[in-house]
Amino acid sequence: QSVLTQPPSVSAATGQKVTISCSGTTFNIGTNYVSWYQQLPGTAPKLLIYDNDKRPSAIPDRFSGSKSGTSATLGITGLQAGDEADYYCGTWDFSLSGYVFGTGTTVTVL
Amino acid sequence: EVALLESGGTLVQPGGSLRLSCVASGFTFSTNAMSWVRQTPGKGLEWVSAISGSGVVTYLANSVKGRFTISRDNSKNTVYLHMNSLSVEDTAMYYCAKNETTWLHFWGQGTLVTVSS
Repeated sequence: QSVLTQPPSVSAATGQKVTISCSGTTFNIGTNYVSWYQQLPGTAPKLLIYDNDKRPSAIPDRFSGSKSGTSATLGITGLQAGDEADYYCGTWDFSLSGYVFGTGTTVTVL
Repeated sequence: EVALLESGGTLVQPGGSLRLSCVASGFTFSTNAMSWVRQTPGKGLEWVSAISGSGVVTYLANSVKGRFTISRDNSKNTVYLHMNSLSVEDTAMYYCAKNETTWLHFWGQGTLVTVSS
């Protein structure tokens, strides 16, 4: 099972902002960079954020990431219908010697 | 352009074995670590295994240790996941992904493994 905890779902109206939290421990988030992945319905996951707060070139700046201590946060501003998806955080866990994902959060645009 | 194409997924009986393949293109394969990640239908992502660019270093999730192994053939730009003693809990979509330093940058479209009698 996942060792990183995320809220099951978040929602907001079109154009508004949502934030998704990702809570871990000193063995994972506390000592490693965090990345975020977006999974649109019926598709493979896609990298959204890496190294806590960096965006691949094709990702719009409406998406942002941050990290503090053993928690990380993904922010999405100017929410669009196309942002409806599942979002996962991920990082390396030293105690498990493996990569770990968050429980996943479903974003709904009202 | 980076592309990852998985294959080998199929219906297999409990206790059976299977080998998944992932053919990569669009980057220097031998210098990149690769991972396998699975997703049970309707559920979250679970990292399964990773292998260094040279193939010397491998990692396995506790849930598959002793049953799965990962390998690669850099001459064929291919990474494999060898799965033994399969159980119904291994039913999932299996994705391969290209590792960067601390993240999984590119993902394939996945191959479906169904374990059922």
